[in-house]
Parts: sequence; C-alpha cells; structure tokens
Amino acid sequence: DAMVIQNPRYQVTQFGKPVTLSCSQTLNHNVMYWYQQKSSQAPKLLFHYYDKDFNNEADTPDNFQSRRPNTSFCFLDIRSPGLGDAAMYLCATSRTDTQYFGPGTRLTVL
Amino acid sequence: EDKVVQSPLSLVVHEGDTVTLNCSYEVTNFRSLLWYKQEKKAPTFLFMLTSSGIEKKSGRLSSILDKKELFSILNITATQTGDSAVYLCAVEAGATNKLIFGTGTLLAVQP
Repeated sequence: DAMVIQNPRYQVTQFGKPVTLSCSQTLNHNVMYWYQQKSSQAPKLLFHYYDKDFNNEADTPDNFQSRRPNTSFCFLDIRSPGLGDAAMYLCATSRTDTQYFGPGTRLTVL
Repeated sequence: EDKVVQSPLSLVVHEGDTVTLNCSYEVTNFRSLLWYKQEKKAPTFLFMLTSSGIEKKSGRLSSILDKKELFSILNITATQTGDSAVYLCAVEAGATNKLIFGTGTLLAVQP
C-alpha cells in the first residue's frame, strides 16, 4: 500500500499561473519535506515541517510556499511558475531510520 | 558549508562485474548516511548507516561507513542490467533529519 502519496503525478501549467501540488501520508510521521529535483541533479530541499513548525531553506525562492493543515497532508504552492521551475517535486516523510519518498509530481511549465 | 561528494560521476560496466561507489562528506551534526537507488522515479531506500565499520548487506549490495575518514562505499557484486540507475548518497544532519544529497553516480550495466 502506498505510504506517501503525491497528486497529481504530472502537472502542466502555464508561465505565471499558480499551481498547487499535494502530498499525503499514512505513516503518521511528524516530519514532512519538499524537494525539487531537476534533470540529472540530486534532490534539493526546499523546506520541511517538524510537526507544525515550518523550516525554510535559505535559498528557496519566495515563489514557493507550503502549507500543512494536519499531520497527514502537506501542500506546495508555486505562486508564479517560471520556466526554471519545471522539475520533479518530491515529498518525503521521515522517522528515526529513514526517509520515505513519494512517487513525485513532474511539473511542466509552458 | 555541508557537502556530500560522490565518485565516480558515472560508470559503465558489463554484467557480472563488481562495482564500488564512493561517498565522502563534510557536515556538522552528522546523524546517519543513506544510500538510495533512483531510476526514472523517486529514490528507493537501500541502506542507512550510523556506525563505523559495520557492513550492511542486502543481496548483492553491501555498504559500510567510516566515520573517522568521513566516507562510505556501496558495493554491488555480480551486476545485472537491472542495477542500472543513479545511486544517491545522502547524509542526515541536524535534529530534523535534513538530507544533504550528493550529485549521484550514474551506473550503466551493459549486457
């Protein structure tokens, strides 16, 4: 059974049109992460939640926001997507011995 | 600045060969080192290493950590074409399990 679920799996948006990616988990993990992975690059951490505490990476653009309304769900909002934001967006949750990744959402910006 | 460096960046071998992938790191508040396999999808967890000198093994894959010299290796014996993937090394640092990834090693196993 899927433990970290991301929707949609593929998202196409237009330049400047806001988009929201969602992540849900059935693991009851208290930490959730959003990573951006561009082609042929390692995943890059955007931000994470430790319970309700939001932690933003210093180099994450202001264009990226996140919400975590409860333990199970976390959202990534891209307010004005640019061509450079086209990437795979990975959600992950963690417990003491590993991070579980979702399948990712591939974002295309036209 | 925390960093994780993997080598080689890419590797081409033939089926049956044994490969060794390297990962070195410089981080503050080290907690653990993780290896992932990534094909054309999200990374798949392979190993988590926290103690020096203790080999972890899963089938043809094994890994070991040296916390004194700050590196880890991932060995794959009797490679198969299905082992072709990017292998990511990540170091867990800080109180919230933040992962710092290396750039990955692209392994291609030819028949």
